[in-house]
Amino acid sequence: DAGVTQSPTHLIKTRGQQVTLRCSPKSGHDTVSWYQQALGQGPQFIFQYYEEEERQRGNFPDRFSGHQFPNYSSELNVNALLLGDSALYLCASSLLENEQFFGPGTRLTVL
Amino acid sequence: AQSVAQPEDQVNVAEGNPLTVKCTYSVSGNPYLFWYVQYPNRGLQFLLKYITGDNLVKGSYGFEAEFNKSQTSFHLKKPSALVSDSALYFCAVRGLTGGGNKLTFGTGTQLKVEL
Repeated sequence: DAGVTQSPTHLIKTRGQQVTLRCSPKSGHDTVSWYQQALGQGPQFIFQYYEEEERQRGNFPDRFSGHQFPNYSSELNVNALLLGDSALYLCASSLLENEQFFGPGTRLTVL
Repeated sequence: AQSVAQPEDQVNVAEGNPLTVKCTYSVSGNPYLFWYVQYPNRGLQFLLKYITGDNLVKGSYGFEAEFNKSQTSFHLKKPSALVSDSALYFCAVRGLTGGGNKLTFGTGTQLKVEL
């Protein structure tokens, strides 16, 4: 049984560009959450999707948007990238509101 | 608002000795509490959780945690540390008000186990 998978593993972008990160949840899970982990920090909650709708949102600007597909996979989009967006982006999946299982993350570097 | 504090950036312990990684929390109502471990260039791995019941929770790899409601603490413990336990440990809390299961993490504690 595959766990949570994320793509790509690493990504390098320049300021002002747009990026899309992808996540496939653990089999049987229907809820996907996204977190940003800056270097030396704990993960910060971005938002959560359930039934293709954004259910909760953290304190992130509108440049951060997402989507959940009917197969429960999800995308995180970030527009107008800033240097401060450089971080490890973690996807976590769960069944409804049970415990979350994390993917390996996507390392985004903004130059 | 919910929050988690991990007061120690780093904990050093000799292999075979007991270890404790500290965590305190603030949340409205009864909390769900979690410990996760992160190895270099990896995602987070779930160790254990407290929802209700016994204050001593047992988890993966011999780890356990003690929930103390009066002190709002959830310290991670292991009776005998291994070098392979060296990693970054995160405490997290989920409040029970409102929908969703958003986690709020602490800043992490680097555990270093030496021979």
